[in-house]
Amino acid sequence: SQELEQSPQSLIVQEGKNLTINCTSSKTLYGLYWYKQKYGEGLIFLMMLQKGGEEKSHEKITAKLDEKKQQSSLHITASQPSHAGIYLCGADAGNNRKLIWGLGTSLAVNP
Amino acid sequence: DGGITQSPKYLFRKEGQNVTLSCEQNLNHDAMYWYRQDPGQGLRLIYYSQIVNDFQKGDIAEGYSVSREKKESFPLTVTSAQKNPTAFYLCASSIVTSGNTIYFGEGSWLTVV
Repeated sequence: SQELEQSPQSLIVQEGKNLTINCTSSKTLYGLYWYKQKYGEGLIFLMMLQKGGEEKSHEKITAKLDEKKQQSSLHITASQPSHAGIYLCGADAGNNRKLIWGLGTSLAVNP
Repeated sequence: DGGITQSPKYLFRKEGQNVTLSCEQNLNHDAMYWYRQDPGQGLRLIYYSQIVNDFQKGDIAEGYSVSREKKESFPLTVTSAQKNPTAFYLCASSIVTSGNTIYFGEGSWLTVV
């Protein structure tokens, strides 16, 4: 079973709509990272969350880490075609810096 | 500009040949990593290095080798022992290996025929 579950697996939204991607673990996480990837390209760092209840925003993207530090959500407000891509979460589960990874959420934004 | 440079972007090799993927970073990061990305399997760690002249096996090290002779460079060799080498390979680096963001290169596509 996957140590870090991402949902949904894929998402198609109309431009201007809001959306949320979730990343869940059964373990307490010591750091949660969100990345964006275009197919066949490298991962672009978006945000890192470390404290329970922490919330960070960058432009129209907001990420939160729950109080128990086992679940994170990534929320995009008023989506644009430029938001399309694959969103991955990675987390430090305390295993000597071997990050665990979700399988990614593929986002398409229709104009 | 600072960053991580992987080369080549696309590489084709015949089965049975070794191939080396280059990774160079000018971020002055101590730690470097190699990941493999396959559809439906997410990112899997091949090798990582926390300091020059030292490296550790990740989750799927069999059939791969690395070296870390310089802080800036962490080349990955895909040997003929690797059963399914065709994949997308990502190099990454971070300041140290604990509590710091990992930054990625643009990736290298390896196709073995």
